[in-house]
Amino acid sequence: KAGVTQTPRYLIKTRGQQVTLSCSPISGHRSVSWYQQTPGQGLQFLFEYFSETQRNKGNFPGRFSGRQFSNSRSEMNVSTLELGDSALYLCASSFIGREQYFGPGTRLTVT
Amino acid sequence: QQQVKQSPQSLIVQKGGISIINCAYENTAFDYFPWYQQFPGKGPALLIAIRPDVSEKKEGRFTISFNKSAKQFSLHIMDSQPGDSATYFCAANFQGGSEKLVFGKGTKLTVNP
Repeated sequence: KAGVTQTPRYLIKTRGQQVTLSCSPISGHRSVSWYQQTPGQGLQFLFEYFSETQRNKGNFPGRFSGRQFSNSRSEMNVSTLELGDSALYLCASSFIGREQYFGPGTRLTVT
Repeated sequence: QQQVKQSPQSLIVQKGGISIINCAYENTAFDYFPWYQQFPGKGPALLIAIRPDVSEKKEGRFTISFNKSAKQFSLHIMDSQPGDSATYFCAANFQGGSEKLVFGKGTKLTVNP
């Protein structure tokens, strides 16, 4: 079974721009969660989607948003990028219980 | 109350030795405690997980010990190998149907040959 895939793997953007990241969960998984990983703050929860509905949201500004499609694929969007948004953005999917499986991440650099 | 505190920040162990990483939590609503292993340039990989009704869980060389009364849990890596060199994260999950994981800050393990 294929794992969680994320595209693109690397991205360089300029301050003020917006960006969209994509995540394809493991086949059959209906829950998709997004995390931001930085050296200073570690792994922080952004939001979780289940059956196209946002079930939980972390403590991030409204510039961070997401959505989930009927095939469980998910996207997250960051508008008006700031230097501090530079991070590894990780997507995780799960089926039953709490076992979450992470993708390789998208490395976003904001200049 | 939603924090998970992890220690040590870094750990150096000789090949064949035992690596021990500790985590502590405050919120008694947490009911699922996974450990993840992350290599540079990769996403975290689920290593082993435990629930509060069990005091210990072993999978190969990896063991989780859980102390519910102390609100602490730890990862033991027996016979540590250079290939185990990675960053390890403990995490905890709330009850209530959400998949949100609260992570510790991570421990960078180096196993010297």
